[in-house]
Amino acid sequence: QKEVEQDPGPLSVPEGAIVSLNCTYSNSAFQYFMWYRQYSRKGPELLMYTYSSGNKEDGRFTAQVDKSSKYISLFIRDSQPSDSATYLCAMSGASGGGADGLTFGKGTHLIIQP
Amino acid sequence: DAEITQSPRHKITETGRQVTLACHQTWNHNNMFWYRQDLGHGLRLIHYSYGVQDTNKGEVSDGYSVSRSNTEDLPLTLESAASSQTSVYFCASSDGAGNTIYFGEGSWLTVV
Repeated sequence: QKEVEQDPGPLSVPEGAIVSLNCTYSNSAFQYFMWYRQYSRKGPELLMYTYSSGNKEDGRFTAQVDKSSKYISLFIRDSQPSDSATYLCAMSGASGGGADGLTFGKGTHLIIQP
Repeated sequence: DAEITQSPRHKITETGRQVTLACHQTWNHNNMFWYRQDLGHGLRLIHYSYGVQDTNKGEVSDGYSVSRSNTEDLPLTLESAASSQTSVYFCASSDGAGNTIYFGEGSWLTVV
């Protein structure tokens, strides 16, 4: 069983829709959870950073962590064509990347149709 | 602005040659990482460093080495390039205080 599971997509939705992206994980030691956005032929850039369980909101983006279910989500409201990218979940047992860096999901390719 | 830069951005090399990918960051971060990204595998950790003279193996370290002689640089060396090492390589850094991990723009390596 992989440590982090993420549906690769592609996920295609119309502009303005609410997008839900998800990851499941198996390692209960993970405490730091991140979502990265990666445009084609670019490096990943951090979108959201959450410690332990709970919700965090930043503009149109909301990150949720449910440690009891080992499940994390990223919601994008009022989706825009510029949100089209690959979204990677990442997690760590320690801050700053910790002893083994980050463990990444494989990424979900999101397409927002104008 | 502080940044992390990788060079070269694109390289084609032959099997068996030694290749070095450079990574330079101006954030004065202690932690630096090298990942490779492949279709179907996502990002995988190759090596990481917590500071000068410190290096550690990651998940896929075979065939790779790193050295950390100063805070700013963590070069990645492929001792004898193999076709299986054709990939996109990303360098990253963090300050270790729970803050953002920054990625470079990537180095595309093709081994023929």
